[in-house]
Amino acid sequence: ETGVTQSPTHLIKTRGQQVTLRCSSQSGHNTVSWYQQALGQGPQFIFQYYREEENGRGNFPPRFSGLQFPNYSSELNVNALELDDSALYLCASSRNRGGGELFFGEGSRLTVL
Amino acid sequence: GESVGLHLPTLSVQEGDNSIINCAYSNSASDYFIWYKQESGKGPQFIIDIRSNMDKRQGQRVTVLLNKTVKHLSLQIAATQPGDSAVYFCAENGSAGGGNKLTFGTGTQLKVEL
Repeated sequence: ETGVTQSPTHLIKTRGQQVTLRCSSQSGHNTVSWYQQALGQGPQFIFQYYREEENGRGNFPPRFSGLQFPNYSSELNVNALELDDSALYLCASSRNRGGGELFFGEGSRLTVL
Repeated sequence: GESVGLHLPTLSVQEGDNSIINCAYSNSASDYFIWYKQESGKGPQFIIDIRSNMDKRQGQRVTVLLNKTVKHLSLQIAATQPGDSAVYFCAENGSAGGGNKLTFGTGTQLKVEL
């Protein structure tokens, strides 16, 4: 167990809807990163949060947004869901923003119908 | 653009044999590489990492080799066990922006046969 918890574990949405995924980071970790993993693919970096601000972003449109709270937990929000958003969404926490070992949660499996 | 790729999508080995999983990368500026193991239904689990100023690093039953000349990375698992069955990803930490942006390959499925 990595100490990183994500919720919900599975959910189903329809096109056009909005979704919020949640992540609690490991104790002592102030940085949270989000990744999207399509079936049969490696994870793709969405963005990173450090001290409640976005600190690096991958090639994802603005309808992917996030938040980090004072206790370092984080949310990933996706608006106007598309079929291709169906994937496993992984949260990873780390001790700092400058690189180093990432600890991944088990992910939230999103299906868009 | 930067990319990380794997040579083989599936690798089958006999229990007790050594496994070698290979990975190629294209970003010559990459300075940090990590191997992750992902079991079905779970998140990626850190195995071992290596920085570009090294060419070999050993852990418990695992060794990572880095060849910067040909931009190649490999993971060696000694005495492979059934519990090693999983998908293995190599990942590169983008050095340009620093931080924790990892670029993952597509993964190699390791199957351990009894």
